[in-house]
Amino acid sequence: DIQMTQSPSSLSASVGDTLTITCRASQSVSNSLNWFQQKPGKPPKLLIYGASNLPSWVPSRFSASGFGTDFTLVISSLQPEDFATYYCQQSSTTPRTFGQGTKLEMK
Amino acid sequence: EVRLVESGGGLVQPGGSLRLSCVASGFTFSSYEMNWVRQAPGKGLEWISHISYSGTTINYADSVKGRFTISRDNARKSLFLQMNTLRAEDTALYYCTRGTSSDYWGQGTLVTVSS
Repeated sequence: DIQMTQSPSSLSASVGDTLTITCRASQSVSNSLNWFQQKPGKPPKLLIYGASNLPSWVPSRFSASGFGTDFTLVISSLQPEDFATYYCQQSSTTPRTFGQGTKLEMK
Repeated sequence: EVRLVESGGGLVQPGGSLRLSCVASGFTFSSYEMNWVRQAPGKGLEWISHISYSGTTINYADSVKGRFTISRDNARKSLFLQMNTLRAEDTALYYCTRGTSSDYWGQGTLVTVSS
């Protein structure tokens, strides 16, 4: 199985900050990498698919890149609604494993 | 509007069974692969099963293989998860999701396995 490792596991930041979350796969997943945002009591929401593509509902302050084993999610100019937990997931092969999550908290 | 609505969760004793359902609307259900993803209380996300649009390709996580069965009824726009021999560690909120990228999620149905 492909293991997905996110870093950091938690992060404190302030409104207006720019931050980066990384996700590393134990073997290549090509560009089959998704990012999700989850707020307490809500289902996850797709943020990024195909490593770098934004669905129509995602603000442009979110961006992502990567290929193979190393991926990054960047949130520019953090907004209050961005404080949540973020997960990466590889959809290259089954099982479609998730990272352990990165909890973004307000400083 | 794309909508996924799960049902069928509840409290069940260890060793028991449950059948989860997910009813889809707002899109051509028969054109999309579907997944089940679960989240134990206070924990992260775990992908557990996938079924192709036609139902001919099915995959499971090792944690549920041999105990859970995914199926679909395209005429009824419905996805199912038959869960047998349930264990305490299967306690979780179970979500159905659409497509390879899980672009849409239901609100989830809670399964509690406890005596």
